[in-house]
Amino acid sequence: DADVTQTPRNRITKTGKRIMLECSQTKGHDRMYWYRQDPGLGLQLIYYSFDVKDINKGEISDGYSVSRQAQAKFSLSLESAIPNQTALYFCATSDGDRKAFFGQGTRLTVV
Amino acid sequence: AQTVTQSQPEMSVQEAETVTLSCTYDTSESDYYLFWYKQPPSRQMILVIRQEAYKQQNATENRFSVNFQKAAKSFSLKISDSQLGDAAMYFCAITSYDKVIFGPGTSLSVIP
Repeated sequence: DADVTQTPRNRITKTGKRIMLECSQTKGHDRMYWYRQDPGLGLQLIYYSFDVKDINKGEISDGYSVSRQAQAKFSLSLESAIPNQTALYFCATSDGDRKAFFGQGTRLTVV
Repeated sequence: AQTVTQSQPEMSVQEAETVTLSCTYDTSESDYYLFWYKQPPSRQMILVIRQEAYKQQNATENRFSVNFQKAAKSFSLKISDSQLGDAAMYFCAITSYDKVIFGPGTSLSVIP
């Protein structure tokens, strides 16, 4: 089993719909991150969390929200999806050595 | 704020040859870490190599090595004896205490 698991792997949704992307980890790391990947822009940080009571905005948090339900779970929500949120989304954790461990990514398409 | 720049959107290398991918960064932190990640077509993000800023010695992992120039804020990746499996997107990244910030990536093609 993967150390960082994202669900779903692929999703197509309609404009205006609410959608949640889920992430769970078995690595026992406190730090968790959500990134968005667009061609030519690399990975842009949406939100990050150091524990269940610590949530921080990243570079591009507008239009997104997150919930840290437990140390192992960190979900990303799009309250009202729009087409320019079509992207590849990654969840990641990091350890004391600052190495990041990524999930397999979620390909989200908003039509 | 920390920023990462990768000035080569695309690179190509002949199989078995050596290629160097460039990365420059900016940070006001004195303690930070630098990374290179590889993303093959499978889209999985894979850690290639890691460098602590306080270490003067350049990190090496098998065929992968870095040239870390702290004063110039440069962190290039050298791939020796390139293999077909090295074809991927390569991302340079920096982190200090909290965020991990990535560059825009370099797409590497390996020519048989």
